Amino acid sequence: IQLTQSPSSLSASVGDRVTITCRASQGISSYLAWYQQRPGKAPKLLIYAASTLQSGVPSRFSGSGSGTDFTLTISSLQPEDFATYYCQQLNSYSLTFGGGTKVEIK
Amino acid sequence: EVQLVESGGGLVQPGGSLRLSCAASGFIFNSYDMHWVRQVTGKGLEWVSVIGTAGDAHYLDSVQGRFIISRENAKNSMYLQMNSLRAGDTAVYYCARAVRSNFGVLYGMDIWGQGTTVTVSS
Repeated sequence: IQLTQSPSSLSASVGDRVTITCRASQGISSYLAWYQQRPGKAPKLLIYAASTLQSGVPSRFSGSGSGTDFTLTISSLQPEDFATYYCQQLNSYSLTFGGGTKVEIK
Repeated sequence: EVQLVESGGGLVQPGGSLRLSCAASGFIFNSYDMHWVRQVTGKGLEWVSVIGTAGDAHYLDSVQGRFIISRENAKNSMYLQMNSLRAGDTAVYYCARAVRSNFGVLYGMDIWGQGTTVTVSS
């Protein structure tokens, strides 16, 4: 199963609303997770089951979608949110990640 | 504190072997599936392998037959034996803990180590 993320990068300002999309090559129900990775750090689980916020993750992060089309939204971008975001399908092995979306400061 | 610590990375020649280790602490290790994920510097994440609580394993196609994942619950540890290494295996290797629902649905990977670097070069 291939995952295509868009855009591959974006520039945004603090306070902006940001949306990242992830499209699966075949239906994966809601078996999708989103991760945040800051430079030099390990990934951090943000959202699982497409729309459920992981414990401790700020509520400005949200996820939606099912089947083949998914979105990650950051409602009001904060300085600590500048990072790379990855989607991952958990429908079947081998598990796959999207190519990533780098969120940079405008 | 819940923690994963990888070790065993290094420089190896093409065709060589390396064994990575992942030491877990702060949780009941034998209750969790464990994964290896790798990342080429400056590139995206790539899932490599998983070992279930019963020792069942799955692999990325490109490492099937070359890598072997294992676990030793008595030592709270997981391993990745990497054989016939290629330049394309050069990456940072992370171990990660799987999180599942009460009904066994795989949700993702909630705890990650800091990574260990593998470089395959002559």
